[in-house]
Amino acid sequence: AQKITQTQPGMFVQEKEAVTLDCTYDTSDPSYGLFWYKQPSSGEMIFLIYQGSYDQQNATEGRYSLNFQKARKSANLVISASQLGDSAMYFCAMRERVQGAQKLVFGQGTRLTINP
Amino acid sequence: DTAVSQTPKYLVTQMGNDKSIKCEQNLGHDTMYWYKQDSKKFLKIMFSYNNKELIINETVPNRFSPKSPDKAHLNLHINSLELGDSAVYFCASSQGVRGGEQYFGPGTRLTVT
Repeated sequence: AQKITQTQPGMFVQEKEAVTLDCTYDTSDPSYGLFWYKQPSSGEMIFLIYQGSYDQQNATEGRYSLNFQKARKSANLVISASQLGDSAMYFCAMRERVQGAQKLVFGQGTRLTINP
Repeated sequence: DTAVSQTPKYLVTQMGNDKSIKCEQNLGHDTMYWYKQDSKKFLKIMFSYNNKELIINETVPNRFSPKSPDKAHLNLHINSLELGDSAVYFCASSQGVRGGEQYFGPGTRLTVT
């Protein structure tokens, strides 16, 4: 079963608009973490934002915020005032405990294109 | 200063060859990882090392052998390369095995012909 689901393969947004990228997850572990990474066309993976399962408030980092709805098991990324440089692949990931360690399980990704 | 570096960035080789990818991190982290990103952009963990000890091995063919000479380095050696090994390989590091974001290297694009 897919543990991280990103239902939007691609999104097109006008510059300066806000955009929400969807992510739902599935886990029975009460302790987990959720991450968003950006992968521009140059290929590197850039960490954007993190939300812990016990965090009371939604995480924010500059123009990025994470809309964490624990009961719905969703962790959507909101980018405010989008810029052309935001065009990239975006990956949602969940930290999963395994064998006393942790690994990231990634979603399929959403390709975001910002139009001028 | 590059936090997590990988060499080479591009690797083109023929089937059957043996190749290595090197990874180094200067973040002082004690845990390192190898991930594989396939042609559909799907990322999956392969291995994880904590303080030079293998802690995660995700059913990867034994043609792939990671080696960690110290906690700042994690290399990936691949024997008898196959067409299906073509992918982008990412090294990552984090502090501790139970928390903290993972910082990724720039990736190594491996093409097997």
